[in-house]
Amino acid sequence: DAKTTQPTSMDCAEGRAANLPCNHSTISGNEYVYWYRQIHSQGPQYIIHGLKNNETNEMASLIITEDRKSSTLILPHATLRDTAVYYCIVRVEGGGSQGNLIFGKGTKLSVKP
Amino acid sequence: NAGVTQTPKFRILKIGQSMTLQCTQDMNHNYMYWYRQDPGMGLKLIYYSVGAGITDKGEVPNGYNVSRSTTEDFPLRLELAAPSQTSVYFCASSYIGYEQYFGPGTRLTVT
Repeated sequence: DAKTTQPTSMDCAEGRAANLPCNHSTISGNEYVYWYRQIHSQGPQYIIHGLKNNETNEMASLIITEDRKSSTLILPHATLRDTAVYYCIVRVEGGGSQGNLIFGKGTKLSVKP
Repeated sequence: NAGVTQTPKFRILKIGQSMTLQCTQDMNHNYMYWYRQDPGMGLKLIYYSVGAGITDKGEVPNGYNVSRSTTEDFPLRLELAAPSQTSVYFCASSYIGYEQYFGPGTRLTVT
């Protein structure tokens, strides 16, 4: 069963920040929050992950609440190429079956000109 | 680096036929995975491997077989193809279970 809840779809204006929420109220202490995205017809692409501190890389920022029950992926200046399905996944770091990704339906982000 | 490559890109099979989907990675990753994605759905794990000679079932393994004789290659075998196996198949690899890198996918239609 999916451990995360995401809105089905969201719109964002080009050039504005896109804020994608994710609820993971049953997250365990050793589970990380991962974000992937899938642009139409392509394989999923890793974006970012974090445990409890906020994280930033060249693609996005990840804000995790202090109780770790929810998080927000932020694309600071969305472009049309950011239109994709965004998946929020919680998983244990490392190997074995516990490290396998479980994909839900994600959030379809549409960036509009 | 080419990353993860998959062949073929497209294939149409008749019911009962067999085929092998090829997957190769050049990143020296220990872990490799096969997923399928049905229209409008998320990805589901078919099989995974934690290293050469070691494979294990994922969520939806029925109707498929895998082998891992080298670090680079992880082929997926479909025996007796059925319409329910019509899907897009993605191969992925990772270093000891960290972030996964995906291939471009194989679109399979069984009629």
